[in-house]
Amino acid sequence: QVQLQESGPGLVKPSQTLSLTCSVSGDSISTGSYYWNWIRQPAGKGLEWIGRFYSGGATNYNPSLKSRVTISIDTSKNQFSLELTSVTAADTAVYFCASAMIVTGHFDYWGQGTRVAVSS
Amino acid sequence: DIQMTQSPSSLSASLGDRVTITCRPSQTFKFYLNWYQQQPGKAPKLLIYATSNLQSGVPSRFSGSASGTDFTLTISSLQPEDFATYYCQQSYSALTGMYTFGQGTKLELK
Repeated sequence: QVQLQESGPGLVKPSQTLSLTCSVSGDSISTGSYYWNWIRQPAGKGLEWIGRFYSGGATNYNPSLKSRVTISIDTSKNQFSLELTSVTAADTAVYFCASAMIVTGHFDYWGQGTRVAVSS
Repeated sequence: DIQMTQSPSSLSASLGDRVTITCRPSQTFKFYLNWYQQQPGKAPKLLIYATSNLQSGVPSRFSGSASGTDFTLTISSLQPEDFATYYCQQSYSALTGMYTFGQGTKLELK
């Protein structure tokens, strides 16, 4: 069973860079079994897909965030990371990492989520 | 981008009721529609994938289907643990690298 765990600062100042890491256990992120994703949810609102990484090296991002997002992978640590630059209060949310099946695209495993507030 | 319109946005129902939630995409596709349940303060949980496939461990009172352009999640007999928020998610455009969620349906106890 795959398990995911987010980690990172809970508070980021406006205009700075939000950086989060997702640690994966139960599967190797380099085997190509999944897409590795970041998804966020502002308080009281719905889910927004941020982007994904595939172990073959491909990344895809939500067009609404593309200019500010980078997702990268560290196979030696079995982790993948999110960087979101130039954050504003609108980036305050719970951030989830999740694995997505390659063919059907459903998110079968999720981290518990980590709350990030953007505030000075 | 494909937009997902989910209805209703909220729903009040009683224990034992049969409820239906609908998701309509902005462009027609088949198969690539998934459903999640989210309890407050928790990560979403996969219920149904690829329109009608029940995720392992999910009770059989949950089912998914498609008719015309719409996709439907049905709960046949509501249990106390079913009161939550439900989201649909399209993965049709996953090949081009984009997933989108419906806006959610909050299911409350009447």
